Amino acid sequence: DAKTTQPDSMESTEGETVHLPCSHATISGNEYIYWYRQVPLQGPEYVTHGLQQNTTNSMAFLAIASDRKSSTLILPHVSLRDAAVYHCILRVQGGSAKLIFGEGTKLTVSS
Amino acid sequence: GPKVLQIPSHQIIDMGQMVTLNCDPVSNHLYFYWYKQILGQQMEFLVNFYNGKVMEKSKLFKDQFSVERPDGSYFTLKIQPTALEDSAVYFCASSLSGGHYAEQFFGPGTRLTVL
Repeated sequence: DAKTTQPDSMESTEGETVHLPCSHATISGNEYIYWYRQVPLQGPEYVTHGLQQNTTNSMAFLAIASDRKSSTLILPHVSLRDAAVYHCILRVQGGSAKLIFGEGTKLTVSS
Repeated sequence: GPKVLQIPSHQIIDMGQMVTLNCDPVSNHLYFYWYKQILGQQMEFLVNFYNGKVMEKSKLFKDQFSVERPDGSYFTLKIQPTALEDSAVYFCASSLSGGHYAEQFFGPGTRLTVL
């Protein structure tokens, strides 16, 4: 699977909209972009995923660049509960079910 | 949302002993996973399991490791014998379907300390 690059950490304040970038310059046409987050002392939680089109759900908006070499997870109006490590993960269509976690981005939210 | 439970939350054992970690997956899920996370490090895939069989395993899934889910009860990870390097948090996950599109639901983890 192709590699992703994320900043080690980001800081925000409650109520802000946060943009978490992910670079995947060598992504293949059949690789989906997944985001999971992990709060300390808990297991990871699915956030969203996409292939080519932007997607939105109750948790976040995923903006995917037209060349698919990068994506941005947008968290509107963050709260303290959104503080977590966010992982951008590529998964091959028809491929393994396993999740390959990197370091992710540690998002800190202050009040 | 759907919940995965793990029992116990913390287990302390002596090196060389056997340990069984228990996972109660989401009730209608068919695919099960174990991941290992050493403190301060990345989470790593160990194994996935479907229909009574190991579908895929990583090099971390040593010969001392085994998994099973007898008769729809707990999905278990057994380590026999344990080693010091097995100390980690073990996360169980389950999904309704397999493949890249399957959303995996994770439990809160079992912290294993091997002395």
